Parts: sequence; structure tokens; C-alpha cells
Amino acid sequence: KAGVTQTPRYLIKTRGQQVTLSCSPISGHRSVSWYQQTPGQGLQFLFEYFSETQRNKGNFPGRFSGRQFSNSRSEMNVSTLELGDSALYLCASSPLAGQDTQYFGPGTRLTVL
Amino acid sequence: AQSVTQLDSHVSVSEGTPVLLRCNYSSSYSPSLFWYVQHPNKGLQLLLKYTSAATLVKGINGFEAEFKKSETSFHLTKPSAHMSDAAEYFCVPLGDGQNFVFGPGTRLSVLP
Repeated sequence: KAGVTQTPRYLIKTRGQQVTLSCSPISGHRSVSWYQQTPGQGLQFLFEYFSETQRNKGNFPGRFSGRQFSNSRSEMNVSTLELGDSALYLCASSPLAGQDTQYFGPGTRLTVL
Repeated sequence: AQSVTQLDSHVSVSEGTPVLLRCNYSSSYSPSLFWYVQHPNKGLQLLLKYTSAATLVKGINGFEAEFKKSETSFHLTKPSAHMSDAAEYFCVPLGDGQNFVFGPGTRLSVLP
């Protein structure tokens, strides 16, 4: 099976812009989670989607949002970008929600100038 | 709430010597526990997971971890380090609300 894919792999934006990142889970996986990784804060949970519904949300401002489509692909959107949003954004998929192994994609490196 | 402590931010070993990466979790019940590895500029790869079936868990690339409830520990070991093991390692309990709670990670350096 193909692994989790994320597009784009690299992105450069300027402050105030918005960005959309995409994640395609492993075939058959219905849960998609998003994480932000920065040198200062480490890996932080953003949100999880299962069957097109947001199951869990981390402690991030409303500028961070996401959605999941009927084919389980997911997008996350960040509006009004700030310098501090520069990070590696990781997507993970699992067959089911909750207590299940997560399989990670390679990440999207976002740089905000 | 679930939390994890990785006792060493950086571990350095020589190639061919044993690896020990320490992890202690805080929980009032036996959680699901995972070890993930992240190589530079890569995503995270699952090394192994504990889900109460057996206390000694074998993973990929010769790694294993032992769950010790009395010590609330889940240390990761490997008998002989290889240069390719140099990476960041994360001990991850499944948190409240059933989302992963990542610790700060341990950076493993392998010296030739």
C-alpha cells in the first residue's frame, strides 16, 4: 500500500496570507490527524478527523482549521499567517479513530516570511 | 491526564554498543504506549507499540521495549547501535480524549 502523502512538501508564504495543506491517508484509513512540529514547542496535536467529522482538537487558535472529505483525504487551512506558524506540519492516518497506531506522512515544511 | 517524561534530551553511543532511551509515563491506568523515530527532515516511523498483550515488545530494526507498570516505564533498548539509528526518538502515550501526546523526544547520536 502507498503511504501517507502530503502536498506540497515545501511552502513559502508571507505574513497575513493563508495556506492550505493536503493529506492523503493510506488506502482504507478513515482517521486523519494533524500535528505541528517546531523546535521550540515540539510536536503538538492540531486536530483529528474521522468520517468527515472533527473528533478532537488541540489548543490552537481558530486560524487553524481543517476538513475531511468523503474519500478520507484531509486538508488543513491556516489563515492570517504569522511568523510563528513556520513549522513542519505532519499528517497521520489510522484505520480507526482513538486507540490505534498512527502512520505519518513526510510532512509539509511551511516557512512564513 | 496522560504525560510522558523522556529522561534524556540527548544520548550519545558508539557504534556497536547498546542503546538505552528512557521513558516514564504518568497515568492511573495502563495506557497504550508507542515509540516513534524521526530521521532528519522525515516524517515519524513507528518502531513498536505496547497494548497490554505482552510486556516485552519487539519492534523494527532490532529495537525492543519493556513495559514496567510498577515503575511506569517503557524504556527503549537495542543491543548494538548502528550509524543509521541516529535520529530523534519519541515515546508516546495515548492521551485523554484519545489523541497522541508527544514528549520532547531524545536525540540519539551514534559515533563511529
